[in-house]
Amino acid sequence: DQQVKQNSPSLSVQEGRISILNCDYTNSMFDYFLWYKKYPAEGPTFLISISSIKDKNEDGRFTVFLNKSAKHLSLHIVPSQPGDSAVYFCAASEVNSGGGADGLTFGKGTHLIIQP
Amino acid sequence: ETGVTQSPTHLIKTRGQQVTLRCSSQSGHNTVSWYQQALGQGPQFIFQYYREEENGRGNFPPRFSGLQFPNYSSELNVNALELDDSALYLCASSRLQRGDTDTQYFGPGTRLTVL
Repeated sequence: DQQVKQNSPSLSVQEGRISILNCDYTNSMFDYFLWYKKYPAEGPTFLISISSIKDKNEDGRFTVFLNKSAKHLSLHIVPSQPGDSAVYFCAASEVNSGGGADGLTFGKGTHLIIQP
Repeated sequence: ETGVTQSPTHLIKTRGQQVTLRCSSQSGHNTVSWYQQALGQGPQFIFQYYREEENGRGNFPPRFSGLQFPNYSSELNVNALELDDSALYLCASSRLQRGDTDTQYFGPGTRLTVL
């Protein structure tokens, strides 16, 4: 039972255009969402996050949008650059009022390919 | 600021053996989480250590165990290795305060192959 879903295994975008990566979740208790980027043979690198009290967060070329009613978030990269070619993971977590941690729940990733 | 480091980079073991993986957290971080990433999948949460105690656990059997040391570094131990344990093992550190969330920063991972 996947609680975080990235339905596009891959996405090809022309350099300079906008890349839009999508993510859906099913657990309504999730309240913190993150995007990570991963190159082969490296660990995931944190890109950007958003709390459930917001619907948008921007950092340079990266913007994350959160639609809580649809349980959907998206990452926009504009303009796309060749170095953006990587696997992008969406992840979610919830504050555990008991003080414990459930860790991050990840999607399976989307392989973004930026074409020159 | 030193990032998260892991050792070894690669490891080959045979079924039934035991393995220990190591992780040094980023300076200023007090929490370490371990994840298993199988090929073609996203990372899956194994457990988290906060102030040297297990703070949460995912759906992994007891043969997956861990430790956190006073300097916040951590070990992941896996006993009675099975073929399906072959994966990339990722360590992530964060600065957690109870009842709050914080961004986790990942190390490069250890690639474990079980033959």
